[in-house]
Amino acid sequence: DIQLTQSPSFLSASVGDRVTITCRASQGINSNLGWYQQKPGKAPKLLIYSASTLQSGVPSRFSGSESGTEFTLTVSSLQPEDFATYYCQQLNSYPLTFGGGTKVEIK
Amino acid sequence: EVQLVESGGGLVQPGGSLRLSCAVSGLSFSDHYMDWVRQAPGKGLEWVGRIRKKANSYSTEYVASVKGRFTISRDDSRNLLYLQMNSLETEDTAVYFCATSGSYGPLVNWGQGTLVTVSS
Repeated sequence: DIQLTQSPSFLSASVGDRVTITCRASQGINSNLGWYQQKPGKAPKLLIYSASTLQSGVPSRFSGSESGTEFTLTVSSLQPEDFATYYCQQLNSYPLTFGGGTKVEIK
Repeated sequence: EVQLVESGGGLVQPGGSLRLSCAVSGLSFSDHYMDWVRQAPGKGLEWVGRIRKKANSYSTEYVASVKGRFTISRDDSRNLLYLQMNSLETEDTAVYFCATSGSYGPLVNWGQGTLVTVSS
């Protein structure tokens, strides 16, 4: 199974901060990676797919990038509604797997 | 508007069975792969399984921990997705989400989830 290691697991930040979350895959996944945002008691919401493609309707302050087996989600200027937990997911091979999550809290 | 609505969750004893349903509207259900994802209380997301569309023979994939116990099926005529869960274990306690997907595609549309509690 492909393991996804997300870091950090917890992040404290202020409104306006630039935030970066990393997801490292245990083997190559051909850019088949998605990023999701989840708020308490809600379903996850797709933000980014194919490592760097912004899902329709998602603000442009969210972006994704990749370098080999390391993937990055960046929020250029954190907004109050962005405080949530973020997960990466590999869609390259079965079983599909998620990273452990990164909780972004208000400093 | 795309809507996915799960139902069928509840309390069940270890070793018992439960069938979850997911009603889909607002998109062409038969054109989509469908996934189940679960989230144990206070934990992260775990992918459970997938069913492909008719053109792919409705083939399925599962995570190892549920293989042989869980079965995913679909009724394209009624826009319904199912998750039959047998031999339930306490570790299966979670909120179960259904979601639309595609080959190598992400999980785009999600339901609100239904809680399954396995306890004596």
